[in-house]
Amino acid sequence: AQRVTQPEKLLSVFKGAPVELKCNYSYSGSPELFWYVQYSRQRLQLLLRHISRESIKGFTADLNKGETSFHLKKPFAQEEDSAMYYCALLTDSWGKLQFGAGTQVVVTP
Amino acid sequence: DAGVIQSPRHEVTEMGQEVTLRCKPISGHNSLFWYRQTMMRGLELLIYFNNNVPIDDSGMPEDRFSAKMPNASFSTLKIQPSEPRDSAVYFCASSSHRGRYEQYFGPGTRLTVT
Repeated sequence: AQRVTQPEKLLSVFKGAPVELKCNYSYSGSPELFWYVQYSRQRLQLLLRHISRESIKGFTADLNKGETSFHLKKPFAQEEDSAMYYCALLTDSWGKLQFGAGTQVVVTP
Repeated sequence: DAGVIQSPRHEVTEMGQEVTLRCKPISGHNSLFWYRQTMMRGLELLIYFNNNVPIDDSGMPEDRFSAKMPNASFSTLKIQPSEPRDSAVYFCASSSHRGRYEQYFGPGTRLTVT
């Protein structure tokens, strides 16, 4: 079964502290994974994807096939990082994404 | 490109009325997705199209919901009759295989059924 699990519904961190959002997946083929971000009352937008292997807004994510994980990390959280974050898995050749339940990040000063 | 366009941005209607949500995908994208977002259920995929053909509508909650894509630049999601539990934000997104399937979301339609 194709599944994306984000175990944390809410993550509260202090400004300047490291933040890590967990994402685990279940997929029989070669996975293609994404992180999307949704700021308050706005549209979802792509934050990064594993094939790009780039850092966006200080965030990085590494695909670990052994642990079937794609955790999102940032060494120093900023207040503007407060948002909902969704992990997503590409599940078919038409572009369907299986989204996780999302993690709400709150960065407090 | 203006991105994915949705209309209306806000809709308030009474229970029993018909509601039509509209979406214009990004030009050149051949896949289109309709999602519903609520606090209780999170982000749900309702239906998606590829080259204007519905691929999977298993997420459509009831027969009251229907979606069409008459051409590559327009899609509608209709609810008839609407009920208060349909209140949600409805997002449309589009993507293409050339864009490596990155989905671009519209601003959403906030629907309130009273």
